[in-house]
Amino acid sequence: GAVVSQHPSWVICKSGTSVKIECRSLDFQATTMFWYRQFPKQSLMLMATSNEGSKATYEQGVEKDKFLINHASLTLSTLTVTSAHPEDSSFYICSARGRDYGYTFGSGTRLTVV
Amino acid sequence: SQQGEEDPQALSIQEGENATMNCSYKTSINNLQWYRQNSGRGLVHLILIRSNEREKHSGRLRVTLDTSKKSSSLLITASRAADTASYFCATGSGNTPLVFGKGTRLSVIA
Repeated sequence: GAVVSQHPSWVICKSGTSVKIECRSLDFQATTMFWYRQFPKQSLMLMATSNEGSKATYEQGVEKDKFLINHASLTLSTLTVTSAHPEDSSFYICSARGRDYGYTFGSGTRLTVV
Repeated sequence: SQQGEEDPQALSIQEGENATMNCSYKTSINNLQWYRQNSGRGLVHLILIRSNEREKHSGRLRVTLDTSKKSSSLLITASRAADTASYFCATGSGNTPLVFGKGTRLSVIA
């Protein structure tokens, strides 16, 4: 079945630094990648949608300059949290969709900014 | 944005009892899916029900869908401590993102 590998699974960083999260589709081509954020005891909130080779489309209220999304290939999408602050601490999870493949989720990344 | 509400927000039951969670959505759908999430972990896909289906079973899971009321329910029978998790419904198809409900936190007490 379709597998999406997400790394790192957890990361602790200092305030002001940047963190990159990667999602790779291992056995299919991810034409579309969705990035979600989840705060404790809350649901998954869509941050952005990216199609391979195009700029990401961000949801209202999500700063595109702070959350940089790159989907340069059909198997890799990255989310970079720039100048991270404690309020960015959250669980980030990607979801890939490809031709003939439904929504496949990564295992998530727990980001803690100290 | 979130598609709708789930109720209850939290549910605590004894092992062996049945757990029922409800989900409402706002727009027309092609299908509806249910996911489970253990604390701090990724999502596990449980079941998908299509808009032309009214009920679907998978092991101890039973899902119903009422498109006229824009609602779905997930029933877990003979619950186990290992069923303790958050459960989310989600709608979406094609190249649109999945939109999740607010979720139900289920605690099964041994």
